[in-house]
Amino acid sequence: KAGVTQTPRYLIKTRGQQVTLSCSPISGHRSVSWYQQTPGQGLQFLFEYFSETQRNKGNFPGRFSGRQFSNSRSEMNVSTLELGDSALYLCASSLALGQAYEQYFGPGTRLTVT
Amino acid sequence: AQSVAQPEDQVNVAEGNPLTVKCTYSVSGNPYLFWYVQYPNRGLQFLLKYITGDNLVKGSYGFEAEFNKSQTSFHLKKPSALVSDSALYFCAVRDRSYNNNDMRFGAGTRLTVKP
Repeated sequence: KAGVTQTPRYLIKTRGQQVTLSCSPISGHRSVSWYQQTPGQGLQFLFEYFSETQRNKGNFPGRFSGRQFSNSRSEMNVSTLELGDSALYLCASSLALGQAYEQYFGPGTRLTVT
Repeated sequence: AQSVAQPEDQVNVAEGNPLTVKCTYSVSGNPYLFWYVQYPNRGLQFLLKYITGDNLVKGSYGFEAEFNKSQTSFHLKKPSALVSDSALYFCAVRDRSYNNNDMRFGAGTRLTVKP
């Protein structure tokens, strides 16, 4: 079974631009979560989607948004990019919504904002 | 809110020796606990989880972890370390008392196994 895929793998943007990252979960997985990973802050939770609905949201500004499609694929968007948005963005999928389910991570998208 | 602490930024062990990566957690109710490993330029890989039952949980690649409720700990262990175990390890917790809380990760512990 194919793992979680994320596109693109690397991205370079300039301040003020916007960016869209894509995530395809493992086949059959219906829950998708997004995380931001930086050396200073570690893994920070962005949001979680299930059945095309945002179920949980982390403490990030409104510039960060996401959505999930009917096939469980998910996208996240960051508008008006700032230098501090440079990070590895990780997508994770799990079988269903619920605390007991482990998450399976994609390789991440490395975003660099200049 | 739930939180998790990994008190050691770095753990160094010699190949063949046992290893322990420490994790303590804080939740208002009972926890679901997880360990993940991250290799360079890769996403996190699931190693094992504690849901309920036996306090000793066995996972991938020979790793195991022991849930200790009184000490609120969930230390990761392996009897004999391999050089290939060198990676960044993350402990994570979810509080089962709440329906839609997120998974909280520790800051990570870098394990280096020397030949």
